[in-house]
Amino acid sequence: GAVVSQHPSWVICKSGTSVKIECRSLDFQATTMFWYRQFPKQSLMLMATSNEGSKATYEQGVEKDKFLINHASLTLSTLTVTSAHPEDSSFYICSARDQTRALLYEQYFGPGTRLTVT
Amino acid sequence: GESVGLHLPTLSVQEGDNSIINCAYSNSASDYFIWYKQESGKGPQFIIDIRSNMDKRQGQRVTVLLNKTVKHLSLQIAATQPGDSAVYFCAENNTGFQKLVFGTGTRLLVSP
Repeated sequence: GAVVSQHPSWVICKSGTSVKIECRSLDFQATTMFWYRQFPKQSLMLMATSNEGSKATYEQGVEKDKFLINHASLTLSTLTVTSAHPEDSSFYICSARDQTRALLYEQYFGPGTRLTVT
Repeated sequence: GESVGLHLPTLSVQEGDNSIINCAYSNSASDYFIWYKQESGKGPQFIIDIRSNMDKRQGQRVTVLLNKTVKHLSLQIAATQPGDSAVYFCAENNTGFQKLVFGTGTRLLVSP
């Protein structure tokens, strides 16, 4: 149980275009999902916290107009990188929190999406 | 362009040895700690966790030790195997903020 998927697993896009990444909780409902970014040889950095039915909360330094997050259902959150540039190339990882669990800090991670902007 | 990344600390061990990976955390108010394993090109995989009211917790081949006095966390892996080769991250959680903060990570290389 507690499986999180991401789609696509990798994507290449041209500079200036937008790309959407999906995060799904497959066997549980997630009121909260998190989006992380990871550059090579670095740690995971939280970008934003996404709550179902409300606006996402962005971490300091993350442009909310560039990284659009939508969490329209209890099993799906999307991250759209708008007007992507080469410096946005990174590994994007989502996680989801199971609302039925008493341990509110448990997060289940997706497999990640490798974005390359040319 | 390519980002300039930090050089990950690396621990090299022989198969069968015991490994100890260390982590210093930053927030004395953190009340929950987790160790994750991340293989290349994959998302983090949960290994073991510990609450701040404990100082030791054991799992299968793994033990986590927590020293709140010096804000230090360690992961011990017994009889390390080549399949344990990965990057290991500690993460801390503050109940008040409900989000995880990841450490810088350590690369474990296990040679046969």
